[in-house]
Amino acid sequence: QVQLEESGPGLVKPSETLSLTCGVSGYSISSGYYWGWIRQPPGKGLEWIAYGFHSGATYYNPSLKSRVTISVDTSKNQLSLMVNSVTAADTAVYYCASSRTYYSFDYWGQGTQVTVSS
Amino acid sequence: QSALTQPPSASGSPGQSVTISCTGTSSDVGAWNYVSWYQQHPGKAPKVMIYDVNKRPSGVPDRFSGSKSGNTASLTVSGLQAEDEADYYCCSYAGANNMVFGGGTKVTVL
Repeated sequence: QVQLEESGPGLVKPSETLSLTCGVSGYSISSGYYWGWIRQPPGKGLEWIAYGFHSGATYYNPSLKSRVTISVDTSKNQLSLMVNSVTAADTAVYYCASSRTYYSFDYWGQGTQVTVSS
Repeated sequence: QSALTQPPSASGSPGQSVTISCTGTSSDVGAWNYVSWYQQHPGKAPKVMIYDVNKRPSGVPDRFSGSKSGNTASLTVSGLQAEDEADYYCCSYAGANNMVFGGGTKVTVL
């Protein structure tokens, strides 16, 4: 059973860079699967951010692509997300998730709250 | 890409059925058989209930079923139970490696 656990700063100042990490247990990232990030602003719906693959391939939501970087670290069995130039609109719960096929999100972390505020 | 359209709310009494629609376009829902549905209880992470339009992951009750017609996908919950009260989100592959979610539907068990 794949288990995912997000970690991050909790509070980030506007215009700074948000960095999140997701530790994976119960499965080796290098064995396959797609590894992604999804966020949920307070009281709102879900938004797919990006996918990464152990080969280094990355896939991004076009609306966020210019500010987002996803990476997969097979040596640490974790994935990371960076969001540049954050604003209040980036305030959300950020989830990491895995997918066997790309087309659905099979396992989810518990989520980490990120607030953008000065 | 625009979010898929879901009704904000739906409700039913215990034992009844409720169906939630998810309307997209010919570029997402209508183009691919890759619609998934997620259940989210307050303060919890989403859980996949249906994938590839109508497939249930192991452990999901067969009261949950999915279908698709044209640009609209649907999730039906039969034999409603109190624990089915939650938010439900649809998601579709939108081509060019993109994924798009719906706005969510709050299901209330009366």
